[in-house]
Amino acid sequence: ETGVTQTPRHLVMGMTNKKSLKCEQHLGHNAMYWYKQSAKKPLELMFVYNFKEQTENNSVPSRFSPECPNSSHLFLHLHTLQPEDSALYLCASSQESVTGGGGYTFGSGTRLTVV
Amino acid sequence: AQSVTQLGSHVSVSEGALVLLRCNYSSSVPPYLFWYVQYPNQGLQLLLKYTSAATLVKGINGFEAEFKKSETSFHLTKPSAHMSDAAEYFCAVSPAGGTSYGKLTFGQGTILTVHP
Repeated sequence: ETGVTQTPRHLVMGMTNKKSLKCEQHLGHNAMYWYKQSAKKPLELMFVYNFKEQTENNSVPSRFSPECPNSSHLFLHLHTLQPEDSALYLCASSQESVTGGGGYTFGSGTRLTVV
Repeated sequence: AQSVTQLGSHVSVSEGALVLLRCNYSSSVPPYLFWYVQYPNQGLQLLLKYTSAATLVKGINGFEAEFKKSETSFHLTKPSAHMSDAAEYFCAVSPAGGTSYGKLTFGQGTILTVHP
């Protein structure tokens, strides 16, 4: 399998549940990202990892907890979410270098609904 | 600091007509620029990118974009729209050179509708 794969594609969870989103990339990239896409809002960068180290956390609430065990896998652990957290969560990867400009490869996303 | 403005949240064209989606950027350093397309319930797919080579960039599906530094623009065009082009399009900017981890900034998106 190639590209960036996200599972599950759809997730419905209650506000007291704990669930995890998974992202896997088979491109040999060294950076991975979580984005949140809500209706009528710009894409929001949540977390950035390069070489497995978190380099950016854009003031994301602690009910979202990322994990990057290796450069190919990225998780987003969810607990005690709110209805306003319902959105499409997108994972992306890129091969970053000092010259930049690689662009991102996105997964198909997980459509999360919090009830 | 960098930002992207996409003029027009919705654009509607007839099949066979010219597609023009506008993007203006603001960047304190020379930028790299990207256009992505998103079909319903899918992730974003890279259409084309400008990385300081030719200013006219050709991408997939017949799209192209021209980098105009004097106008700080990177508008996306296609000579003849197809029904399959209906989607949401995002312009994005990142700094040229240096590590750019997490520094891809997206515009708000433009929804393209194509009428028969």
